[in-house]
Amino acid sequence: AQSVAQPEDQVNVAEGNPLTVKCTYSVSGNPYLFWYVQYPNRGLQFLLKYITGDNLVKGSYGFEAEFNKSQTSFHLKKPSALVSDSALYFCAVRGPVTGGGNKLTFGTGTQLKVEL
Amino acid sequence: NAGVTQTPKFQVLKTGQSMTLQCAQDMNHEYMSWYRQDPGMGLRLIHYSVGAGITDQGEVPNGYNVSRSTTEDFPLRLLSAAPSQTSVYFCASSPGTGISYNSPLHFGNGTRLTVT
Repeated sequence: AQSVAQPEDQVNVAEGNPLTVKCTYSVSGNPYLFWYVQYPNRGLQFLLKYITGDNLVKGSYGFEAEFNKSQTSFHLKKPSALVSDSALYFCAVRGPVTGGGNKLTFGTGTQLKVEL
Repeated sequence: NAGVTQTPKFQVLKTGQSMTLQCAQDMNHEYMSWYRQDPGMGLRLIHYSVGAGITDQGEVPNGYNVSRSTTEDFPLRLLSAAPSQTSVYFCASSPGTGISYNSPLHFGNGTRLTVT
């Protein structure tokens, strides 16, 4: 079965500094990886995905993610953080097509706090 | 375009009571799913459906029933509520009969359920 680990419950960063939110995964076959963001009292919103191709994926709101197959990681990054980026971030992995392909498994989430 | 609509937004139940959480989408999505979100545990898949008349269990299906009589609606039923079902519940949908990698999940804004 697939799994996702987000080792940090919270990440604090100053506005204007780069940010990284970490994610590692485990899945059989080629990974389909996603990042979602959740603002208070709202559902999750899609940020970006990795399916195949370039290891650096660009998404919404200036976010990008770096896929590293050897380290089974998919870290979320942004060159310059904004206070409005403060939210709960989830990494997710889709299961293989032949089994679990209809299931998206989420990590436990990382609370990002950007301060002035 | 309303997207994914969940009702009610809040609900308080007594142990043993039953209720149905409603989910409707107007995007003609084949795939629909229910997740529960608990602190420190991320989102866990309860049930999902790849089309009308087809449902399957997710990671935590016990205590919950679903049915899919139409493409638009995917209600979640609690037959006998327990305090362990206190959670925030999210409905999500996606085009295609699986989680298409080209189309991320679209989430509703959630139902906050408290069972006393």
